[in-house]
Amino acid sequence: DGGITQSPKYLFRKEGQNVTLSCEQNLNHDAMYWYRQDPGQGLRLIYYSQIVNDFQKGDIAEGYSVSREKKESFPLTVTSAQKNPTAFYLCASRPGQESYEQYFGPGTRLTVT
Amino acid sequence: QKEVEQNSGPLSVPEGAIASLNCTYSDRGSQSFFWYRQYSGKSPELIMSIYSNGDKEDGRFTAQLNKASQYVSLLIRDSQPSDSATYLCAVKGRGSARQLTFGSGTQLTVLP
Repeated sequence: DGGITQSPKYLFRKEGQNVTLSCEQNLNHDAMYWYRQDPGQGLRLIYYSQIVNDFQKGDIAEGYSVSREKKESFPLTVTSAQKNPTAFYLCASRPGQESYEQYFGPGTRLTVT
Repeated sequence: QKEVEQNSGPLSVPEGAIASLNCTYSDRGSQSFFWYRQYSGKSPELIMSIYSNGDKEDGRFTAQLNKASQYVSLLIRDSQPSDSATYLCAVKGRGSARQLTFGSGTQLTVLP
């Protein structure tokens, strides 16, 4: 099955701990994205990557870090510097240079206490 | 002014009615427009894309685009309870990286 997978589905951490969220795709998509969604709000872009070994900050990158060592993988680390990390995190990918639509993974719900 | 604005709702329609969801955007140079459906607790699912002025139909869904008025809408005909979800409007504006800007979504409830 082709698709985007995110793991884990639910994640609980104590304040002050770094945590890494996984995102993998086997669609051969070039670009990958990380969004954050808070209750009743739209999606806010954290980081995106258009090619391997390259990524750019989105609108709310502070307190987050990413890597893109393989085309299939785009992990997101939520660091202790992120002041309000509890949220629903969504990974998305886009097929190629000529398409704009993005497709989402199932998401990871992170709770930090 | 938000870049992409949607009425947050909730919007309630009876089963079988037409649901009309609206979205306005601020970047006049925007090129591509998308509607996503998001069920509670789930991730967004792409249901429609539209690039040119006018209507685009796909089954019970019709997307309408008016670039002069900077307005895009989604009509759902013969609404079903299973259509109850939050609908997100996404816009690809001018600029690089093919990023999308999302509205905050309209919550739709279809009443049996």
